[in-house]
Amino acid sequence: DIQMTQSPSTLSASVGDRVTITCRASQTIADFLAWYQQNPGKAPKLLIYRASTLETGVPSRFSGSGSGTTFTLTISSLQPDDFATYYCQQYDTYLSFGGGTKVEIK
Amino acid sequence: QVVLQESGPRLVRPSQTLSLTCTVSGGSFSGGDYYWTWIRQHPGRGLEWIGYVYDSGPTHYSPSLESRASMSLDTSNNEFSLTLKSVTAADTALYYCARESVVYGALGDWGQGTQVIVSS
Repeated sequence: DIQMTQSPSTLSASVGDRVTITCRASQTIADFLAWYQQNPGKAPKLLIYRASTLETGVPSRFSGSGSGTTFTLTISSLQPDDFATYYCQQYDTYLSFGGGTKVEIK
Repeated sequence: QVVLQESGPRLVRPSQTLSLTCTVSGGSFSGGDYYWTWIRQHPGRGLEWIGYVYDSGPTHYSPSLESRASMSLDTSNNEFSLTLKSVTAADTALYYCARESVVYGALGDWGQGTQVIVSS
């Protein structure tokens, strides 16, 4: 199994802040990585796939980068709707998810 | 716009079989474009991939669940299903169905989720 490790597990930030979340894979996965946003009581929503491709309709303040084993999700200027939990997911070998990063209000 | 909707019993007795169905509307259900996927989320926890069924043929399951999980596709009714045998309290979770694009590999569409509780 490919293990995905996210950091930090919780992040406190304010509206307007630049936020970065890191995801590491236990083995190389090329760029077969996606990012999701989940709000309480809701299904996850796809933000980014192929490590850096923005899903249609996702605001441009979200961006992704990385390849191999280390990836980042960046929110350039945090907005009120962005306080949520974020998950990375690899699809190089079946699927597996990171443990999540909760972005909370400072 | 595709809509996925899970259905099934909310309460399942320990050692029994959990059976869920996902009904797909508003989108292509055949043609090999998607892996029809089940994912679960334990209370207050992260996401766990259960497995997928592809175009009325191959299935793949998480190694931790493959001895108990089974999935199938019913293209005539635009639905796919999950059965999980010999459930325990550890199978209590929110179960989502979703579709994974064969082309770009991510889960672009999800159902709203259905809560399953395993309890006597």
